[in-house]
Amino acid sequence: AQKITQTQPGMFVQEKEAVTLDCTYDTSDQSYGLFWYKQPSSGEMIFLIYQGSYDEQNATEGRYSLNFQKARKSANLVISASQLGDSAMYFCAMRGVSGYSTLTFGKGTMLLVSP
Amino acid sequence: DGGITQSPKYLFRKEGQNVTLSCEQNLNHDAMYWYRQDPGQGLRLIYYSQIVNDFQKGDIAEGYSVSREKKESFPLTVTSAQKNPTAFYLCASSQVTHLGETQYFGPGTRLLVL
Repeated sequence: AQKITQTQPGMFVQEKEAVTLDCTYDTSDQSYGLFWYKQPSSGEMIFLIYQGSYDEQNATEGRYSLNFQKARKSANLVISASQLGDSAMYFCAMRGVSGYSTLTFGKGTMLLVSP
Repeated sequence: DGGITQSPKYLFRKEGQNVTLSCEQNLNHDAMYWYRQDPGQGLRLIYYSQIVNDFQKGDIAEGYSVSREKKESFPLTVTSAQKNPTAFYLCASSQVTHLGETQYFGPGTRLLVL
């Protein structure tokens, strides 16, 4: 079974600062994928970034980067230069890598960006 | 515009009624998923379908039913057997490529039982 843990219910950051959202995972699979999604108040889940377990480099997508530490089973999301529009819920998720497989989500972290 | 649409955005149900939530995608994705989200919680998988005319139960399938008669459509029925149906329902679709599989979500439907 797969499990995702997000220990930060809420985080505050000032605009233009960087913030790290924590995510640890547990799985017995050798191959897996890790995802981060953003959920603004409208409710839609927006895909941000993906990291495969065999990827040697940390994934980056614009201001988002994933700090992947396989030995520690952590996949933290780093948002650089925070913007007011980054205020939202952020969910970490994982899945197996063989064909289609379902996602397991964490409980999320609420990020509030202040001016 | 390619994407996933869900309707209605808000849905009110009387106790004892069945209701059906719509999910349509024009991304030509093979797989579709239904998740439930309760306040302050992550998403939990209800049902998923990897191909037309086939679907599998997720973690919380009791009280729900689905069909997959067309590739584009994956409606979810919340039956009267679901004792606590008030929640936010999200539909997703995905396609496996050489880069892996990423699920993309629709805007969601909020269901409220009166």
